Amino acid sequence: EPEVTQTPSHQVTQMGQEVILRCVPISNHLYFYWYRQILGQKVEFLVSFYNNEISEKSEIFDDQFSVERPDGSNFTLKIRSTKLEDSAMYFCASAALQGMGGYTFGSGTRLTVV
Amino acid sequence: AQKVTQAQTEISVVEKEDVTLDCVYETRDTTYYLFWYKQPPSGELVFLIRRNSFDEQNEISGRYSWNFQKSTSSFNFTITASQVVDSAVYFCALIRPQGGSEKLVFGKGTKLTVNP
Repeated sequence: EPEVTQTPSHQVTQMGQEVILRCVPISNHLYFYWYRQILGQKVEFLVSFYNNEISEKSEIFDDQFSVERPDGSNFTLKIRSTKLEDSAMYFCASAALQGMGGYTFGSGTRLTVV
Repeated sequence: AQKVTQAQTEISVVEKEDVTLDCVYETRDTTYYLFWYKQPPSGELVFLIRRNSFDEQNEISGRYSWNFQKSTSSFNFTITASQVVDSAVYFCALIRPQGGSEKLVFGKGTKLTVNP
């Protein structure tokens, strides 16, 4: 069964450093997403991406965040200057169709900011 | 705005007991989709079911069943004869595609512990 692959599974970074979280969506999917889950809390939408541009973003997704699909297979989330409160599990997801939530989620990257 | 409420924060049962996880949602849209996801201790999100707003038929999949009632805006999930492997956090979620929104709105989750 096709999978969404996320790397690394766990990343530790110092406050103020830039991090890039990587995702390889399912190959024939066109819609891509990032979600975040602070430890013990609910999963929250960050951003959706289609046709090489952001289609929707949440209030969490401020200027410190950016997304990119650099080479047609990878989908990345960059946090420019990490804060302690960015520590969370970040999930990538992809979908073949828009708006029906038929996402396939990756297994997540646990980001720890120290 | 859309909202999903899972009032049960934690539930603990003994193996073989039946357990129901509650989910109440709020939306003004007539077209929407409801979901349940399982998050085992390993952390990934495992899709369990998707139900659209026009299909109120209950669904059964093995030991899992779902009861969707639009009249009470509820989409409850029952595990029959629970097993230790069912221990996880379960999330209910909603998406409403009208207006082009793509975001899944999650509830806060219910942590289920099944004891041997």
